[in-house]
Amino acid sequence: KQEVTQIPAALSVPEGENLVLNCSFTDSAIYNLQWFRQDPGKGLTSLLLIQSSQREQTSGRLNASLDKSSGRSTLYIAASQPGDSATYLCALYNFNKFYFGSGTKLNVKP
Amino acid sequence: DTGVSQDPRHKITKRGQNVTFRCDPISEHNRLYWYRQTLGQGPEFLTYFQNEAQLEKSRLLSDRFSAERPKGSFSTLEIQRTEQGDSAMYLCASSLGFRSSYEQYFGPGTRLTVT
Repeated sequence: KQEVTQIPAALSVPEGENLVLNCSFTDSAIYNLQWFRQDPGKGLTSLLLIQSSQREQTSGRLNASLDKSSGRSTLYIAASQPGDSATYLCALYNFNKFYFGSGTKLNVKP
Repeated sequence: DTGVSQDPRHKITKRGQNVTFRCDPISEHNRLYWYRQTLGQGPEFLTYFQNEAQLEKSRLLSDRFSAERPKGSFSTLEIQRTEQGDSAMYLCASSLGFRSSYEQYFGPGTRLTVT
């Protein structure tokens, strides 16, 4: 069974910092990897999707990388803002379902 | 395209009662998924539909849970004889399947509290 781990579980940074969120997984046989943002009590908002044949994807201040051989993905957030405060979840898709990590709770202080 | 919608957004029920949730996926999305999320955890897969066919169910989906997607459009998730352990956020997602690399779009969720 696919196991997904996200480190750190929580992160607090001052506004303007660049930061990296980590996601590791045990089974490299994945179809794609998707990063989501979740605000308290809300559903999930898709941020980036990386297909298994890709190495990275970028959207605005976000950059996600994928290294299947080492079982790792990172989400890089540049110039963090208080509005980035949320829980960030990575999810791996294979065998017709997503496997989620427990998330990293990010707090960006003004 | 109005996104995935779920109804109700919140449900409080007494233990032993039955509850039903509804999910309306993005139109033309042929795949529909149900997940359950407890506090501080990531969502856990419950079941998914390809059109109206329920193709996989998690072991988390006990006999008290049943899901349907009768016409391949909206879906319902019913929990019978609710228990306090059923308290969670129930999330629905839909995707176009292979054509969109299985990218999933989530609804706002239904928060269930069993008292």
